[in-house]
This record gives sequence, C-alpha cells and structure tokens, in this order.
Amino acid sequence: TQLLEQSPQFLSIQEGENLTVYCNSSSVFSSLQWYRQEPGEGPVLLVTVVTGGEVKKLKRLTFQFGDARKDSSLHITAAQPGDTGLYLCAGLGGYSGGGADGLTFGKGTHLIIQP
Amino acid sequence: DARVTQTPRHKVTEMGQEVTMRCQPILGHNTVFWYRQTMMQGLELLAYFRNRAPLDDSGMPKDRFSAEMPDATLATLKIQPSEPRDSAVYFCASAKIGGVETQYFGPGTRLLVL
Repeated sequence: TQLLEQSPQFLSIQEGENLTVYCNSSSVFSSLQWYRQEPGEGPVLLVTVVTGGEVKKLKRLTFQFGDARKDSSLHITAAQPGDTGLYLCAGLGGYSGGGADGLTFGKGTHLIIQP
Repeated sequence: DARVTQTPRHKVTEMGQEVTMRCQPILGHNTVFWYRQTMMQGLELLAYFRNRAPLDDSGMPKDRFSAEMPDATLATLKIQPSEPRDSAVYFCASAKIGGVETQYFGPGTRLLVL
C-alpha cells in the first residue's frame, strides 16, 4: 500500500499569518490532488498537480508538486478564518489495489485560523 | 448545480443489523467510488465501479460488505451483519473518467453501530 504522510496533523494559527502544510510519499503518483473538507461535508477538490515541479496558485493558496512527483506542499498566505478546515492530499494512479482511478488519501491536516 | 446525493445522512443501528447506504451519482458520470473515513485510518477506498461494472473492491471486507449499481443512477453499499468497528462516515464520489478527473464527493452517511 502506498502511503501519503501529511504534516502537521494539527495547526492552529492567528488570522493573517502564513502557513505551509506538507504531503510526502515514498512512491510516485501520476498526479496529486488537494482537497478541503468542512465538518459534515465531503471533500472538495482544490487543485490537481500533474507535472513534477509544477506550481499552481488559487488566490492566497499556492500548491507545489515535487520534482520527483512524490511530495507536495500547500502554502496559505495571510490566512483567514474561512480557511479553517481539514486539508487532504490524495494521490492518483498509484493505488495498489489494482484500480488506477481510486485515490490514496493522506490523513489530513486539521487547520484552525483564529480571528 | 449537480451534486452527489447520499441517503441516509445518519444511521444508528445495533450490532448484527443490516445497513444499506445509497448514492445517486451526478448525471452523466460513469464512475462511482465508495470511501470510508475514520479518525484512525482517514479516508480509504472501499470499491469503485465504471459503467456500473465493479472494477476494484479490494479495500472492502468481503465477508460482510457488498456494493452494487442496480442502474446508472443508484449505487448501494450494504453491511450485513454490521459490527461496531464499521462505525465511520461513508462517502460516495462520482467522476466522468477520461483523464485527470475530478471526483465529486457526496455529503456522506455517518454510521454508528452500537
């Protein structure tokens, strides 16, 4: 089974601060996705990164895919209370169960932005 | 705004009882996934279907879990008999597979087995 390790598990910071969360694996994925999940809801896709070294920006969020396609990071600038949630990374194209389309998820980073 | 729907949203049952969870994928999506989320294990893929055919169910305990797609608008996940360790949130997701695709998740069924 290919694992995705996310760090930190929990992060609580003040509004306006910057933060980075990480997603690491010993395996290569064809692409990697970041999701945000709010309480009582399913995960919602934020971004998909495909090419090693790729950087994508979504407003104050910056996503980077490692050169070797084994790791990724999410950087949030000037965090706001609305950014609070569970951030999950998920790898595609590496599921050891046989199907190429199922996502392998990390356990997530619980992020709290305090006003 | 097309969404994946799941019923029931919450289910409390006693050990040994049968549980059926239902999912309506987004119209036109040909791939349906079932995931389970717990605090300890996070989100895990249980099974998935493409064009209603099961492609992979290796993540699912075979002795008590079964997944089916009676038609293109309905996917079901059954647990019989249920056990306390099955308590979790079960998510259905659908996608229109053709490349690097987006999986759209439903709101989940929160299951508690006493």
